Amino acid sequence: AQSVTQLDSHVSVSEGTPVLLRCNYSSSYSPSLFWYVQHPNKGLQLLLKYTSAATLVKGINGFEAEFKKSETSFHLTKPSAHMSDAAEYFCVVSLLYNFNKFYFGSGTKLNVKP
Amino acid sequence: GAVVSQHPSWVICKSGTSVKIECRSLDFQATTMFWYRQFPKQSLMLMATSNEGSKATYEQGVEKDKFLINHASLTLSTLTVTSAHPEDSSFYICSATPSGSSNTGELFFGEGSRLTVL
Repeated sequence: AQSVTQLDSHVSVSEGTPVLLRCNYSSSYSPSLFWYVQHPNKGLQLLLKYTSAATLVKGINGFEAEFKKSETSFHLTKPSAHMSDAAEYFCVVSLLYNFNKFYFGSGTKLNVKP
Repeated sequence: GAVVSQHPSWVICKSGTSVKIECRSLDFQATTMFWYRQFPKQSLMLMATSNEGSKATYEQGVEKDKFLINHASLTLSTLTVTSAHPEDSSFYICSATPSGSSNTGELFFGEGSRLTVL
């Protein structure tokens, strides 16, 4: 079975400081892992994905995430937060190509202070 | 990247009426689409899997007679909320993935549809 836990429901950072959004997963098989971002009243946009290739994954808008199998983690980071990064972020785990088994985390709301 | 479009973005209706939400894959074909419901400040809940040319597969606890899904073509799935009531008010999001060799292992999401039932 697959599941994902986002450890923080809210994260607040100042503009220009690093961002860390934490995600731990559980999977019986080699998982695919994704980070999506959702702005208010909008759909989800893919930031990055891990599908068993390089463990350090670079995404859009300067975000990256590292797959750590030993820690069952897939934390999302960004060196310097921008005001436009304020949004809800979802970590997702699935089996590759098993789309009806996309398991969403509960979400982390990122607030960026000026 | 692949684009999924939902319409309408916002809809307000009276209790007892039916509302149809469309989900279109604009630049790819999708044999399968997915419908989610999102409650305020919560994550997405998968409602059903929409299969082109066949019946949708509903998740446990989702009323198939309340939420009618039709996937008549490879680029269009519709969700009809029948006899809507205030408790059906929610944010509905669809997603799709390209069929066949175009599949990259990720889901593409629509912009969502905000339904308010008065």
